[in-house]
Amino acid sequence: NAGVMQNPRHLVRRRGQEARLRCSPMKGHSHVYWYRQLPEEGLKFMVYLQKENIIDESGMPKERFSAEFPKEGPSILRIQQVVRGDSAAYFCASSLGSVGYEQYFGPGTRLTVT
Amino acid sequence: KQEVTQIPAALSVPEGENLVLNCSFTDSAIYNLQWFRQDPGKGLTSLLLIQSSQREQTSGRLNASLDKSSGRSTLYIAASQPGDSATYLCAAQNRDDKIIFGKGTRLHILP
Repeated sequence: NAGVMQNPRHLVRRRGQEARLRCSPMKGHSHVYWYRQLPEEGLKFMVYLQKENIIDESGMPKERFSAEFPKEGPSILRIQQVVRGDSAAYFCASSLGSVGYEQYFGPGTRLTVT
Repeated sequence: KQEVTQIPAALSVPEGENLVLNCSFTDSAIYNLQWFRQDPGKGLTSLLLIQSSQREQTSGRLNASLDKSSGRSTLYIAASQPGDSATYLCAAQNRDDKIIFGKGTRLHILP
């Protein structure tokens, strides 16, 4: 049973470009969470999704960031018109369910904005 | 609002010593408390997860305890080795399923 997969592992974008980060949850998991780790900061919750639904996006910046988890395929975190402050490690986690199920983390995508 | 604090922020100890990392949290209504290890530029490695109904968990040289009433958890590392050098993160899973992370303790084991 493969773990949570994220790609790309490293992504370099110039200011103003779009960044797309992908997360494939563990087999059988239908709940996906995205977290961001800014340099010298702790990891912070961004968004919680189930298949085709956003459950909680209270940690998402109001502009330029969006997330989806379609019926088929990976979850996508999309950042439009990236700025240098978006440079961070983005981690995805998946779980079997909500209400206290353990979340399993992927290896992360390191985004660098030049 | 849940806040997770880890003290100290950094710690250096000679190889072979036993050590304790501390974590405190403000809201005791958690599902679980988890300790992770993170190497520089790498992902998260889950070390131990303690369910809210449990008091401690052990894996090899690691032992983690949980005291919900006082809002504290400790990670005990026995007979430390240079390979233990990393950042250790404490994380509390809230009732809304969000995981709140501390900023970590950077551990350096001196050979």
